[in-house]
Amino acid sequence: EAQVTQNPRYLITVTGKKLTVTCSQNMNHEYMSWYRQDPGLGLRQIYYSMNVEVTDKGDVPEGYKVSRKEKRNFPLILESPSPNQTSLYFCASSLSGTGAYEQYFGPGTRLTVT
Amino acid sequence: GQNIDQPTEMTATEGAIVQINCTYQTSGFNGLFWYQQHAGEAPTFLSYNVLDGLEEKGRFSSFLSRSKGYSYLLLKELQMKDSASYLCAVPSYNFNKFYFGSGTKLNVKP
Repeated sequence: EAQVTQNPRYLITVTGKKLTVTCSQNMNHEYMSWYRQDPGLGLRQIYYSMNVEVTDKGDVPEGYKVSRKEKRNFPLILESPSPNQTSLYFCASSLSGTGAYEQYFGPGTRLTVT
Repeated sequence: GQNIDQPTEMTATEGAIVQINCTYQTSGFNGLFWYQQHAGEAPTFLSYNVLDGLEEKGRFSSFLSRSKGYSYLLLKELQMKDSASYLCAVPSYNFNKFYFGSGTKLNVKP
């Protein structure tokens, strides 16, 4: 089954404790992206990746890091989480980042930072 | 950046027709996407419009007017399962970035 998976689905952590949210897709997609979703603000793009070893900032990259060492995986790293990073996070992938391709979203990771 | 506006919430009756609007201001237009998101779930793709006019896909249709910076999603024969948030999104000029509206929550009542 074609899908995007994220782990963990739920995470409660404390300020400053480094964490990684994994994202994996099995569709051989070139383009992957991370979003956060907050009430009243909609989906905001954090980082995106056009292909292996090619990543760039979205609209809200502060406090986040990403890497793309393999085509299927695109982990999101919070080196020192803060309470304002409490949010619902979605990973997404699409065939390519150079055309009008639909994005396939993972199930989401609900992160709470206390 | 881009400026995208949608109504926050709408209510409609089962069996009726509802129109969900989206207005946008962009620097370089490359089409507009609509996604559906049920509560607690991931967004799923509904439609993409790049040319003016109405595109029909079953009970759902999407309209675009590039000169007015305006799109709408038309849902016919509403069903309870259509209760969800509807998100419009525009890509950057090179499709690298995506900008989403805050979403319209549709409540369908019996």
